[in-house]
Amino acid sequence: GQNIDQPTEMTATEGAIVQINCTYQTSGFNGLFWYQQHAGEAPTFLSYNVLDGLEEKGRFSSFLSRSKGYSYLLLKELQMKDSASYLCAGDSGGYNKLIFGAGTRLAVHP
Amino acid sequence: EAGVTQFPSHSVIEKGQTVTLRCDPISGHDNLYWYRRVMGKEIKFLLHFVKESKQDESGMPNNRFLAERTGGTYSTLKVQPAELEDSGVYFCASKESGASGANVLTFGAGSRLTVL
Repeated sequence: GQNIDQPTEMTATEGAIVQINCTYQTSGFNGLFWYQQHAGEAPTFLSYNVLDGLEEKGRFSSFLSRSKGYSYLLLKELQMKDSASYLCAGDSGGYNKLIFGAGTRLAVHP
Repeated sequence: EAGVTQFPSHSVIEKGQTVTLRCDPISGHDNLYWYRRVMGKEIKFLLHFVKESKQDESGMPNNRFLAERTGGTYSTLKVQPAELEDSGVYFCASKESGASGANVLTFGAGSRLTVL
């Protein structure tokens, strides 16, 4: 079967670090994506991991462990504008037929 | 570069009516996808075009949904007749063809459909 799990909501303080976890079970797995979505806007690409390990991109980093079916998105030096939904998605089969989690709503407070 | 554009941004119709959603992908992107998010649920795949051909339509819920991409440019998604459970946000995304390094979908802002 195909299943992506992530927490529904998280809160954090401006300037802090937050880690959003994602676990998955997908057949034909071909990589894992993280997207950011502000309310009413398009999901925007943050990161893509296909190999195990950590990918760092500015304030955002993403980690993947294929053997454990686990990923996380790490956000550093949080800013108010980081308040958004963060979507974990597995690529099933390699044609961008993405299997999405329900998203994690992150609220950043002053 | 213009992004993926979708029209309308919001449509309110009555059960039994017909609605047509349009997506203009990024120019030159051969791959076009439709996804949708119904209330409180995750975004789910509907179908995938490569140019004008349907590569994968395994996510289409039933035969009330018809997607077309004549000429391999813009795409339409028609719902006829609409039912209450069709309410949700319909996202379009596009991707250029080529090496796996360009594996990123660019999404549009979505068309919100409300069926009353």
